[in-house]
Amino acid sequence: EVVMTQSPDTLSMSPGERATLSCRASQTVLTNLAWYQQKPGQAPSLLIYGASTRATGIPARFSGSGSGTQFTLTISSLQSEDFAVYYCQQYNNWPLTFGGGTKVDI
Amino acid sequence: EAQLVESGGGLVQRGGSLRLSCAASGFTFSTYWMSWVRQAPGKGLEWVANIRQDGSETYYMDSMKGRFIVFRDNTRNSVFLQLDGLRAEDTAIYYCARVAKIYNYYMDVWGKGTTVIVSS
Repeated sequence: EVVMTQSPDTLSMSPGERATLSCRASQTVLTNLAWYQQKPGQAPSLLIYGASTRATGIPARFSGSGSGTQFTLTISSLQSEDFAVYYCQQYNNWPLTFGGGTKVDI
Repeated sequence: EAQLVESGGGLVQRGGSLRLSCAASGFTFSTYWMSWVRQAPGKGLEWVANIRQDGSETYYMDSMKGRFIVFRDNTRNSVFLQLDGLRAEDTAIYYCARVAKIYNYYMDVWGKGTTVIVSS
């Protein structure tokens, strides 16, 4: 099983700041990596797939990078609606696995 | 607009069974793989199972093999998750999700989830 490790657990930020979230895979997943956003009481929603491709309707302030075992999600200028939990997920191997999440809060 | 609506959750005793349903609309259901993902209270996301478009292939998290079964009925635009031998640690919100692309098993449409509570 590919273990996905996200860091930090919590990121305390202010609106307008740049946020950098990390995701590490225990073995290579190539670029088969997705990022999701989950707000309290809501289902997750897709942000990024293929490590760096924004999903439909996702603002340009969200960007993904990386390949192999190291990945980054960057939010260039935090908006109030971006305070949420973010999860990475690898889909290179079965079983599909998620990271433990990074909470971005104020 | 693609939409998924789960149902069938509830309170069940340890060792009991439940069948979760997910009704799809707004897209051609029979052309998509589907997933189930769960989230225990206050915890992260955990993938449960995937099923191929025609139901001929299924994949499960190891800890759920033999207890959970995923199947679908394309005539009813629905996917199901049969939960047997339930344990306290199966308490979670269960989400149904659409797999975006064949062989690219990320999920682009999610339902709101249905809650399963297993009492001991």
